[in-house]
Amino acid sequence: DQQVKQNSPSLSVQEGRISILNCDYTNSMFDYFLWYKKYPAEGPTFLISISSIKDKNEDGRFTVFLNKSAKHLSLHIVPSQPGDSAVYFCAATEGGSNYKLTFGKGTLLTVNP
Amino acid sequence: DAGVIQSPRHEVTEMGQEVTLRCKPISGHDYLFWYRQTMMRGLELLIYFNNNVPIDDSGMPEDRFSAKMPNASFSTLKIQPSEPRDSAVYFCASSPDRSYGYTFGSGTRLTVV
Repeated sequence: DQQVKQNSPSLSVQEGRISILNCDYTNSMFDYFLWYKKYPAEGPTFLISISSIKDKNEDGRFTVFLNKSAKHLSLHIVPSQPGDSAVYFCAATEGGSNYKLTFGKGTLLTVNP
Repeated sequence: DAGVIQSPRHEVTEMGQEVTLRCKPISGHDYLFWYRQTMMRGLELLIYFNNNVPIDDSGMPEDRFSAKMPNASFSTLKIQPSEPRDSAVYFCASSPDRSYGYTFGSGTRLTVV
């Protein structure tokens, strides 16, 4: 039973356009959400996060949106660059003393020049 | 800061052999996590430690898997005996606090033949 779901295994966009990666979750106890980027033969690297008390967090070209009622979050990359081509993982954690992250299966983003 | 260091990068072993994976977390990070990545299940948490103490090992597949953290700068994940279905990429990660996300190592690709 997957608690964090990324339903699109892959996404292809043109350089300069917007990339939108989506993530759904089922566990209502999740209160902190993160996005990671992973290049081949490397570990995932932290990209951006959002607390459940917010609905938007922005960091340069990256913006994460959270819709708690829909249990949905998305990552927007504007403008997309070829170097953004990677696998993106959505992750979530519960509140309190639980520090473990539950990951989605990832979305492969390809940005074409 | 050298980041999270994992060794070896690649391990090929025969079924039935003992395998030991090693991890050195970032200094000052109180949390250490072991994850396994497979095509079928994605990134799944095996076990995590806080201040060298195992907190949650509910993800450890079976008794063949064991993990230790004898001090703040070293952890091992041992599989004995190994089986072909253990073939995966094993990641170690550390964190000072969940709000900072995790820092992952580059992973150990394990192949059991």
